[in-house]
Amino acid sequence: ELKVEQNPLFLSMQEGKNYTIYCNYSTTSDRLYWYRQDPGKSLESLFVLLSNGAVKQEGRLMASLDTKARLSTLHITAAVHDLSATYFCAVVQGAQKLVFGQGTRLTINP
Amino acid sequence: DTGVSQNPRHKITKRGQNVTFRCDPISEHNRLYWYRQTLGQGPEFLTYFQNEAQLEKSRLLSDRFSAERPKGSFSTLEIQRTEQGDSAMYLCASSSQRLVSGNTIYFGEGSWLTVV
Repeated sequence: ELKVEQNPLFLSMQEGKNYTIYCNYSTTSDRLYWYRQDPGKSLESLFVLLSNGAVKQEGRLMASLDTKARLSTLHITAAVHDLSATYFCAVVQGAQKLVFGQGTRLTINP
Repeated sequence: DTGVSQNPRHKITKRGQNVTFRCDPISEHNRLYWYRQTLGQGPEFLTYFQNEAQLEKSRLLSDRFSAERPKGSFSTLEIQRTEQGDSAMYLCASSSQRLVSGNTIYFGEGSWLTVV
C-alpha cells in the first residue's frame, strides 16, 4: 500500500526566511503533485512533477522530484505572509488515484 | 471554463438521514473523482468515473455510499443512514486525461457535511 509522509507537519517561520518541506513516499511512482489549501477552501494545484530530476519553480516556490529516493521537496525562498497555507503532496497510484500526504501547515509571521 | 462546481456547499443533517451531493465537472472533462477530507488530514480517494463508468471504488466507500454519473457529465454522491463519522468535506475533481500522463486534476470547493 502506498504511503505518503510529509514533514514537518507544522512549520512556523518568519518572513524573509527560507525553508523546505519534504515528501517521502513508499512505493515507486514518477508522478507527483503539490497542492496548496487555504482554510476552509479547496485545493489549488501548484506543481506537477513528471519524471526523476524534475524541477519546477513559480515565484518563491520551487519543487523537485527524486524518484530513486522517493522524495520530493518544496522549497520556499524569502517567505512572505501570503504563502501561509497548508501544503499537500500527492503521489499518483495506478493511473487515476492520488494518495495525499498529511499536509504541512505553514504559518509565516511578519 | 467555470471550474468544478459542487453543491450544496454546506449540509447539516441528523444522524440516520440521507444526503446527496452534486458535482458538475469542468466541461469536456471525461474523468471525475470524489475524495473525502477530514479536519487536519489530506484528502482520501473515494471513487473515479471515466465518462459514465465507475471504474474504481475505495474500500472507504461503504455500502451506505453510492456515486453515479448517469450521462457522463454531472455526478452525485449519496450517503444513506448518515453517521457522525461521515462528517467531512467531500471534494469532487475532474481531469481531461489520465493522471499518469501528468495532467492537472482540478478540485471543486467541496461540500461540507456535519452529522449531528
